[in-house]
Amino acid sequence: DGGITQSPKYLFRKEGQNVTLSCEQNLNHDAMYWYRQDPGQGLRLIYYSQIVNDFQKGDIAEGYSVSREKKESFPLTVTSAQKNPTAFYLCASSFVRGPLHFGNGTRLTVT
Amino acid sequence: KNEVEQSPQNLTAQEGEFITINCSYSVGISALHWLQQHPGGGIVSLFMLSSGKKKHGRLIATINIQEKHSSLHITASHPRDSAVYICAAYNFGNEKLTFGTGTRLTIIP
Repeated sequence: DGGITQSPKYLFRKEGQNVTLSCEQNLNHDAMYWYRQDPGQGLRLIYYSQIVNDFQKGDIAEGYSVSREKKESFPLTVTSAQKNPTAFYLCASSFVRGPLHFGNGTRLTVT
Repeated sequence: KNEVEQSPQNLTAQEGEFITINCSYSVGISALHWLQQHPGGGIVSLFMLSSGKKKHGRLIATINIQEKHSSLHITASHPRDSAVYICAAYNFGNEKLTFGTGTRLTIIP
């Protein structure tokens, strides 16, 4: 079955460590996105990519980095520069201007 | 004021009731998404519409572009409909998707 896989579901890290969240899709979608969800707020865009080897910053890119070396994969690294990294992270993909398909999310806790 | 506002924020209803969730937006849009987020966190896309009305099973979404308003209706609600429903305004011009903060729906058996 086609879909988006995010791993792991839960992730715990110590402050000061970088951590990478995985996102893989087999829907042949061109566009991929990373969103952050915090309680009481709408989803906020971190980074997005519409084509391999190209990506753009979203509204809250500071402290995050991404790569898009393959169409299927769009990993997100939360760096130690991110001031408040504890959150729920959602990856999504779509055909350009098409409906979004979301993964099940990764809940990151940094202590 | 948020660019995308949803109401109500929380809604509790009895099984079988007709449910309406509203979404108003102040940004220019090309299309509007309705999404469903279950307690585990995963999000499912329900509808993407740019005019009129769409129906899928017991769910109906409508949009009035002139009034900048969309509604999601659930007929014959069921406890499995309990989730957070999120609307998102999509502007093709700047490729920007702006999300509402969601409506938490609880259906009591």
